Amino acid sequence: DQQVKQNSPSLSVQEGRISILNCDYTNSMFDYFLWYKKYPAEGPTFLISISSIKDKNEDGRFTVFLNKSAKHLSLHIVPSQPGDSAVYFCGCMKGNTPLVFGKGTRLSVIA
Amino acid sequence: DSGVTQTPKHLITATGQRVTLRCSPRSGDLSVYWYQQSLDQGLQFLIQYYNGEERAKGNILERFSAQQFPDLHSELNLSSLELGDSALYFCASSEAGGSSDTQYFGPGTRLTVL
Repeated sequence: DQQVKQNSPSLSVQEGRISILNCDYTNSMFDYFLWYKKYPAEGPTFLISISSIKDKNEDGRFTVFLNKSAKHLSLHIVPSQPGDSAVYFCGCMKGNTPLVFGKGTRLSVIA
Repeated sequence: DSGVTQTPKHLITATGQRVTLRCSPRSGDLSVYWYQQSLDQGLQFLIQYYNGEERAKGNILERFSAQQFPDLHSELNLSSLELGDSALYFCASSEAGGSSDTQYFGPGTRLTVL
């Protein structure tokens, strides 16, 4: 039973446009959400996080939106750059329990 | 560079063998996590240690074990290896391992079982 789902295995976006990556979760107890980026042959790199008490968090080109009623979060990248091409994982956690990750979305930014 | 180091980077071994993967957390981090990433799969949580004590256990097989030492480095031991154990194994660390605690990942160890 997958608690965290990233339903789009891949996404292609033109350079300069917006990339929107989506993540759905089933456990309403999750209270902290994170996005990681992963390049081939490297470990995941932390990008941005959001607490359940907020609905938006912004860091430069990256914005995470949280819709608790829909149990949905999204990562917006504006403008998208070729260097953003990677696999993006969303992770969810509650309290002290470990992160639960989705299977990832491969983003390709085309120049 | 996340500050988390893992050795070795690659490991090739045969079925039935035993291997040890090593992780050094970021300076000051007390909590260490181990994850497995198989082909086309997400990151599966295996186990967490906090300041030397096991804190949480995920989908870790009985053939696998881990420990965290007084200097806070951690080792993941995989024994009686099977072909299906071939995967990327990541270690992550965080300050305290509690709520809203960001985990920082190492570069991973790629294990190939032949």
